[in-house]
Amino acid sequence: AQSVTQLDSQVPVFEEAPVELRCNYSSSVSVYLFWYVQYPNQGLQLLLKYLSGSTLVKGINGFEAEFNKSQTSFHLRKPSVHISDTAEYFCAVSKSVAGGTSYGKLTFGQGTILTVHP
Amino acid sequence: DADVTQTPRNRITKTGKRIMLECSQTKGHDRMYWYRQDPGLGLRLIYYSFDVKDINKGEISDGYSVSRQAQAKFSLSLESAIPNQTALYFCATSDSFQYQETQYFGPGTRLLVL
Repeated sequence: AQSVTQLDSQVPVFEEAPVELRCNYSSSVSVYLFWYVQYPNQGLQLLLKYLSGSTLVKGINGFEAEFNKSQTSFHLRKPSVHISDTAEYFCAVSKSVAGGTSYGKLTFGQGTILTVHP
Repeated sequence: DADVTQTPRNRITKTGKRIMLECSQTKGHDRMYWYRQDPGLGLRLIYYSFDVKDINKGEISDGYSVSRQAQAKFSLSLESAIPNQTALYFCATSDSFQYQETQYFGPGTRLLVL
């Protein structure tokens, strides 16, 4: 089974500052990794995903994440945040091995609330 | 129009009542999921369906049941609601024909059980 740990429940930051949201996972098999964002009173939407290839993945709204297999991490970064980035961010993992009913299921971390202050 | 819709968006009910949350999608996806979100716990999978005849329990299915009425519709029922089922519920869909299916989420249903 997979598990995901988001190391910070809340991250306050000032506008235009850089931010890193940390995510570690554990799994006995190869995984796909995702970051989703939830804006206030909305559902989740995909920010970016790592499937294979380059370990640096670029997503929407200027976010990027780096897959580090040796450290089992998938940290999310943005070099300069905006007020509009205030939201809750979720890291998630799924098995990358096809077959069986567990394929395609997502396991989520606990979420990190990013608050951007003016 | 939204691709994944959930009704109702908000619901208050009393302990012991049976309620149904509904999810519809126009994305043509074959897979559908129900999650609940609790503060500090992230999203946890309740049930998932890989097609109309394939329904599976997730990690927290006790106290819940589901029905996949059609490829586009997936309902979640609480047979006898209890206060610790107060949560935000999300429906999601994915397409198994895509390479690594991205899940698309509805706007959520906020449920309060008194």
